[in-house]
Amino acid sequence: GENVEQHPSTLSVQEGDSAVIKCTYSDSASNYFPWYKQELGKGPQLIIDIRSNVGEKKDQRIAVTLNKTAKHFSLHITETQPEDSAVYFCASTSGGGADGLTFGKGTHLIIQP
Amino acid sequence: NAGVMQNPRHLVRRRGQEARLRCSPMKGHSHVYWYRQLPEEGLKFMVYLQKENIIDESGMPKERFSAEFPKEGPSILRIQQVVRGDSAAYFCASSPGTSGFGELFFGEGSRLTVL
Repeated sequence: GENVEQHPSTLSVQEGDSAVIKCTYSDSASNYFPWYKQELGKGPQLIIDIRSNVGEKKDQRIAVTLNKTAKHFSLHITETQPEDSAVYFCASTSGGGADGLTFGKGTHLIIQP
Repeated sequence: NAGVMQNPRHLVRRRGQEARLRCSPMKGHSHVYWYRQLPEEGLKFMVYLQKENIIDESGMPKERFSAEFPKEGPSILRIQQVVRGDSAAYFCASSPGTSGFGELFFGEGSRLTVL
């Protein structure tokens, strides 16, 4: 089955700086790569996703890049703000959206004021 | 438009008791997924259901765990004879189930503590 590795497990950045979280996956058939943000005591919420026919996608301060050859994808957050502090999970699936996602172990992002 | 509703939010059980976790998907969603999250861990897929059908239960432990999604009412994740290792947050997610890639919408989770 699919295996998703996520790094780093903890990331501390100064407010206003950029943060980058990286994930690798094992199943070359994977074709959908979402990123979820989980705040303390809450459920994960989708913040951005990318399909395998796209190399990069941007939404305001967040962007995701995908390298299918190397089987890795990354989340980039620019101009970080205190409310960006949370746990971020990458995930992948090879299904047509109806199959379960395989998640990375998460990155605890800490924004230092 | 209510999101995915899970209850109870917190559940305490003693070893050997049964735990029942309920999940009502978003309106119009016919696909439900259950995930388990241990402290400092990611979300582990357990089971994927559509109305009255279990589509994929490859992540479910073979014993003590069962799930259903009846024609009427919420999806239920049932854990019989709970043990301390079952303590975790259990998240339900739903999707509309249309073809193609689909976002999973998660509930707030049910946190099970086994004493």
